[in-house]
Amino acid sequence: NAGVTQTPKFQVLKTGQSMTLQCAQDMNHEYMSWYRQDPGMGLRLIHYSVGAGITDQGEVPNGYNVSRSTTEDFPLRLLSAAPSQTSVYFCASSYGGTGSPLHFGNGTRLTVT
Amino acid sequence: TQLLEQSPQFLSIQEGENLTVYCNSSSVFSSLQWYRQEPGEGPVLLVTVVTGGEVKKLKRLTFQFGDARKDSSLHITAAQPGDTGLYLCAGADGGGSEKLVFGKGTKLTVNP
Repeated sequence: NAGVTQTPKFQVLKTGQSMTLQCAQDMNHEYMSWYRQDPGMGLRLIHYSVGAGITDQGEVPNGYNVSRSTTEDFPLRLLSAAPSQTSVYFCASSYGGTGSPLHFGNGTRLTVT
Repeated sequence: TQLLEQSPQFLSIQEGENLTVYCNSSSVFSSLQWYRQEPGEGPVLLVTVVTGGEVKKLKRLTFQFGDARKDSSLHITAAQPGDTGLYLCAGADGGGSEKLVFGKGTKLTVNP
């Protein structure tokens, strides 16, 4: 089982560049989310989706866009990369419902210079 | 905004020792989850506790949910090097939202 697949695993961007982090899950999960993980800050929610066509903001949404055109895919777009967006990004999914356990991908390590 | 405070932030012990990690909040959670994360990988769910006072055991790991559902603890007996990792607690507020609030984690190192 593939579970949650994130690509790329590593990425280096220059300030001002844009890019899309890909996330796909094969578990037919309704809920998908993006987190960023920074040293000493834990996991912070960027955006989430409770189903295809529905997205909402999390704790730290500025500078990021998402869309959910299918149940399987939930890409995260950086519009104009900034050094403050240097982080490890995790995509996670669950079947939905309060407190559903999350299944995480293995992350994308992004460096913005 | 609900917050989860984890302590200690770092813990380095010798193989065979016991340890306890704490996850505290001033907010009530409908459920609380514990995850373990190893370097270069995403967090993996260890357990979910739902009922106040609930105790769950997973081999040498014992998880407890506080009676008031505001705190939780993870106790590891006879720690082994394979227990090394980042332990994260996450709470669900029970308001119908699937969103989880994460603590900042406890980085555990078990030395052989």
